[in-house]
Amino acid sequence: KQEVTQIPAALSVPEGENLVLNCSFTDSAIYNLQWFRQDPGKGLTSLLLIQSSQREQTSGRLNASLDKSSGRSTLYIAASQPGDSATYLCAVGLRQAGTALIFGKGTTLSVSS
Amino acid sequence: DTAVSQTPKYLVTQMGNDKSIKCEQNLGHDTMYWYKQDSKKFLKIMFSYNNKELIINETVPNRFSPKSPDKAHLNLHINSLELGDSAVYFCASSQGTSLYNEQFFGPGTRLTVL
Repeated sequence: KQEVTQIPAALSVPEGENLVLNCSFTDSAIYNLQWFRQDPGKGLTSLLLIQSSQREQTSGRLNASLDKSSGRSTLYIAASQPGDSATYLCAVGLRQAGTALIFGKGTTLSVSS
Repeated sequence: DTAVSQTPKYLVTQMGNDKSIKCEQNLGHDTMYWYKQDSKKFLKIMFSYNNKELIINETVPNRFSPKSPDKAHLNLHINSLELGDSAVYFCASSQGTSLYNEQFFGPGTRLTVL
């Protein structure tokens, strides 16, 4: 059974710091991996989608990497800003799950000014 | 120009009632989903529909019944509501059944059962 783990559960950093959020999954037979952002009381915003054949994706200050063999993905946020404060969710698409995503429990990020 | 919309945003009701949540997407996608986010913020798939046909039905009580009148809509009807049904329900959509396709989520419906 696929399990998705995100470490740390919470992270507090000062503004301007570069940071890395970690995601690990137990079954390497994934189709893709998607990073989301969730603000309190809000829906999910898709940040980056990495196909299983890709190693990384970049969007602005965000860079996500994927290492299927080790079952890991990282989300790198450069020059963090208070507006980056949110919960970041990692989700994997697994063949056995049809087309649904299997989610981690998220990392709650707080960036102080 | 909302991509995936849900109504209502908030729903407060008594135990034992029947309620529905509506979802619509204007992205032209043919696959839609319902996810449940519990009080610990953990998101889990409930149902998945492709071209109005059910393709995933996770272990949820049969009090929950999804209905897809067309590809752009996936509604969730819940009978005999229980306290444990209180959660945030998210609708999502993607193009095709390939997992290479990105999923887009609605704003969520916060259901509170009293």
